[in-house]
Amino acid sequence: GQSLEQPSEVTAVEGAIVQINCTYQTSGFYGLSWYQQHDGGAPTFLSYNALDGLEETGRFSSFLSRSDSYGYLLLQELQMKDSASYFCAVRRNTGKLIFGQGTTLQVKP
Amino acid sequence: GAGVSQSPSNKVTEKGKDVELRCDPISGHTALYWYRQSLGQGLEFLIYFQGNSAPDKSGLPSDRFSAERTGGSVSTLTIQRTQQEDSAVYLCASSPGTGAYEQYFGPGTRLTVT
Repeated sequence: GQSLEQPSEVTAVEGAIVQINCTYQTSGFYGLSWYQQHDGGAPTFLSYNALDGLEETGRFSSFLSRSDSYGYLLLQELQMKDSASYFCAVRRNTGKLIFGQGTTLQVKP
Repeated sequence: GAGVSQSPSNKVTEKGKDVELRCDPISGHTALYWYRQSLGQGLEFLIYFQGNSAPDKSGLPSDRFSAERTGGSVSTLTIQRTQQEDSAVYLCASSPGTGAYEQYFGPGTRLTVT
């Protein structure tokens, strides 16, 4: 089968750093994606890792360890607007995405 | 350019009725995906079209659900004999092709079955 696990909720304060972990179990693994979704909005792409290591895009970074079937999204210098749901998604070799249940991040002043 | 569009944005229907949801992908995108998202939940894969290949229908929850994609562009998701458990937001996404890793999502159709 296939499964992804990520924490359901995370709370942090403005300016802090937060890490959202994702572990997965799937066949045909090709890469790990991260999407952000604000309440009532559509998911938007944040980052993608096909190889082990860290990918940095501004305040957001994403990490992948294929041998551990594990990845994380790191958000730095948190802002109130970062309050949203964050989904990890396994990309299979067919192009299909399998999403996790999402982590709700609440940023407090 | 224009993003992915979906219509209607909201649909309220009575149990047992059929509904059709429409998705217009980004022009030139060959891959098109349908997902379902229940309140506070993750995205559940439904079906995936890639070019002229046979669609991956492995996520369709029952034979009441079907989808087609005409001319490699617009797609319609049809739900027959709707049930209350079908109530959810139905999201469509497109991408330039199988090799592209970013999917672009539409705003979704919120379906409520009464």
